[in-house]
Amino acid sequence: EIVMTQSPATLSVSPGERVTLSCRARETIRNNLAWYQQKPGQAPRLLIYGASTRATGIPARFSGSGSGTEFTLTISSLQSEDFAIYYCQQYNNWPPYTFGQGTRLEIK
Amino acid sequence: QVQLQESGPGLVSPSQTLSLTCSVSGGSVSSGGFYWSWIRQHPGKGLEWIGYMYDSERTYYNPSLQNRVSISADASEIQFSLKLTSVTAADTAVYYCARGRDFGDYEGEVGFDYWGQGTLVTVSS
Repeated sequence: EIVMTQSPATLSVSPGERVTLSCRARETIRNNLAWYQQKPGQAPRLLIYGASTRATGIPARFSGSGSGTEFTLTISSLQSEDFAIYYCQQYNNWPPYTFGQGTRLEIK
Repeated sequence: QVQLQESGPGLVSPSQTLSLTCSVSGGSVSSGGFYWSWIRQHPGKGLEWIGYMYDSERTYYNPSLQNRVSISADASEIQFSLKLTSVTAADTAVYYCARGRDFGDYEGEVGFDYWGQGTLVTVSS
């Protein structure tokens, strides 16, 4: 099972700031990585797949990068609706598909 | 636009079987190229993939749950179901159904693009 580690666990930021979230895989997963956003009481929402491709309808302020074992999700200018928990998921080595433990973005 | 909706009991007794159904609108579970999935989230925790079915009858399960889980399609082709046997308090979670798609170069390299709203199942006597 591939362990996915996200950092930091919590990030306090102000609206309008640029923020970068990290996700690390214990072994290489090429670019087989997705990012999800989850708001309280809601299901996760797909943001990024293939490490860097935005899903349908996702604003351009969200961008992903990385390959191998190190990945980042960047939000260029935080909007109020972006405060949520973000999860990465690998789909290179399965079963099982595995998720990181999440990074919570909170308002400073 | 695909929509998914989970349904089933919110309370299950220990040692019993948890049974949930996912209703799909805007698509069919018999349509090729998709992986009809179950994912759960323990209270306040991260996400755990349970398993999926594809091509109407082929399945893959999380090895940690393989001995207790089964996923199958309903004859209506617009529903699929999850059964988890011998449940304990550790199975208390929000259960999501989701549609998986191949996002990688090879079959099975799957991310999840549509999700149901989730249903909380509590295991307690």
